[in-house]
Order: sequence, then C-alpha cells, then structure tokens
Amino acid sequence: GAGVSQSPSNKVTEKGKDVELRCDPISGHTALYWYRQRLGQGLEFLIYFQGNSAPDKSGLPSDRFSAERTGESVSTLTIQRTQQEDSAVYLCASSKSTGDSNQPQHFGDGTRLSIL
Amino acid sequence: ELKVEQNPLFLSMQEGKNYTIYCNYSTTSDRLYWYRQDPGKSLESLFVLLSNGAVKQEGRLMASLDTKARLSTLHITAAVHDLSATYFCAVGGGSNYKLTFGKGTLLTVNP
Repeated sequence: GAGVSQSPSNKVTEKGKDVELRCDPISGHTALYWYRQRLGQGLEFLIYFQGNSAPDKSGLPSDRFSAERTGESVSTLTIQRTQQEDSAVYLCASSKSTGDSNQPQHFGDGTRLSIL
Repeated sequence: ELKVEQNPLFLSMQEGKNYTIYCNYSTTSDRLYWYRQDPGKSLESLFVLLSNGAVKQEGRLMASLDTKARLSTLHITAAVHDLSATYFCAVGGGSNYKLTFGKGTLLTVNP
C-alpha cells in the first residue's frame, strides 16, 4: 500500500480483556517497529522486526505484551489482561531496512487504545 | 541509557516571527531525525541528519546537527499558521532500529 496501515484506529475495551492490534507496513519494507505514545509524551520503543524475527523485545513493558510478524508483512501486537495503564496510542512504523540510517521510519496513524 | 530532551515543550508564536527548537541528547550518536505530528495523525518525516555539521532546509524549516555538542536545532523562519503541529526529534542508538524520541514541542502559530 501507499503507507503504513493500522487497525483498528480506535479500540475501547474493559480492563482484563485481551486486545490485538494490527499493522500493515509499506510493501517491500523489511523492518517494522512498534511504539507506544502516552498522552502528551514522546514515543516509547516497544519492539522491532527484521523480516519475521524480533531480535530485540526489551522494550515490551511486561509479559502481557507480545508481537508477531508473518510473511515479512503484517504484524500484530497483542496485549493480554489489559490494564488501565495500557491506555495509549500504539504506533507502527516501517522502513526499508535497519541497516540504512538514511531511511527514516514511516509511521501509521496509530491505534488509540482506551481501557475502561 | 540514551536520553533526549527537547525545549521548549510548548511554543506559541506569531506569524512572521522566527524561533528555534532545541534537541539535546545524552550519548554519542550521528543519526538524528525530525518528525512532525498533526493532532490525531501519524508522524511525518521532516529531516534526516547523519553527520556532524549537517544542515537541511525545507521551506521555512531548517535543521542542523552538532554531534560534538550533542545538539540539533530546528529553526523556523517567518512562521505561518500551517506550521502549527507537534515536532519531535529522535536519536538513533547503536543500531538504526531503535529511536529514542524527545517529548515533542507543541508549536502554535497565531495569525
């Protein structure tokens, strides 16, 4: 597609429920990134994929968070047993590779997650 | 741990005025990125700065990088209302994949 696509754009759910967020990167982009943006804050790195592998998961806040990527394309970020502090905008980005600094990361519009 | 500080965090200015946003970071890096974010929208890449002394300009915005001072600036010339947005700087760590973002500068340009 023309840009990074994320769905849903908004998600409201009750505390304790599981949620799944989806990201479709730009076609041909091998690197994919997930960030979290709390209200009025900068972006917090969560995880990145090179191809289908996630070499660095250290940014994931807890073991309730997991992510996967298949076909070097779509990625899903899953949050289990959601808590109110999980409320944030979750942003996905992609780039052609992780090795080329000249390539900026291209961001989707994000999923606004609200935990009641 | 890499820390990135932007200032000011809030900037209200009149059309036609000039101003500079500053981005300081705590450890050595030669990769710095500036992004713009409109309310409810995604981040748009503005500049990629990869070397000491790099300067890039696009319209009324000019960005520079001083890796020795660990400082980047985003200069706004003769501001117009359309520039109102939040501006983020992001610094690359040891590998390109991990960017550390500043908290952002909310710029409001008043007619």
